[in-house]
Amino acid sequence: GQNIDQPTEMTATEGAIVQINCTYQTSGFNGLFWYQQHAGEAPTFLSYNVLDGLEEKGRFSSFLSRSKGYSYLLLKELQMKDSASYLCASRRDTPLVFGKGTRLSVIA
Amino acid sequence: SAVISQKPSRDICQRGTSLTIQCQVDSQVTMMFWYRQQPGQSLTLIATANQGSEATYESGFVIDKFPISRPNLTFSTLTVSNMSPEDSSIYLCSVESETGNYGYTFGSGTRLTVV
Repeated sequence: GQNIDQPTEMTATEGAIVQINCTYQTSGFNGLFWYQQHAGEAPTFLSYNVLDGLEEKGRFSSFLSRSKGYSYLLLKELQMKDSASYLCASRRDTPLVFGKGTRLSVIA
Repeated sequence: SAVISQKPSRDICQRGTSLTIQCQVDSQVTMMFWYRQQPGQSLTLIATANQGSEATYESGFVIDKFPISRPNLTFSTLTVSNMSPEDSSIYLCSVESETGNYGYTFGSGTRLTVV
């Protein structure tokens, strides 16, 4: 299978920066996705990395190192509304396989 | 990206009964995927629904329990059969972006409670 590991829970302060790490199995790798899921809602797409390096989209950035089987999602200027689960998903062949998700709590 | 209409949004069902969940996509897509998300857990793939052929099921999921239809390129159904309380979960359909760069778009989900 595709072992995807990410921390279960994280807490960060409003206005701060938080980094959520994800490791995945590298064989046959063909893309790494990050999704945000608020409680009771469907996941929504945040970012996609297929090449090494950093992809920046506003307050959110995602990094990939294919040789290390490692990615992180960086959230800047945290807001209370960023409290959600963040799911790392790896693709070798379709379909996507999801990690267990990291529940982020943003506190004042 | 595609827009998916999924229904019902929630249901409470008696054990032993069956529920059929429908997903309608606003564009033609090759594959549709059905996921389950149990309380506090991540998404687990149930099966891939292909138009014109039988669905492909993941380990631990069987057609008798989760029959799937895919009559055309915009529609699919998942039936949860002979339900037990362990089937209480959120069920989500999804499709892949045709460009392949934007991952999957998800339906709004069906929250199923079996009593």
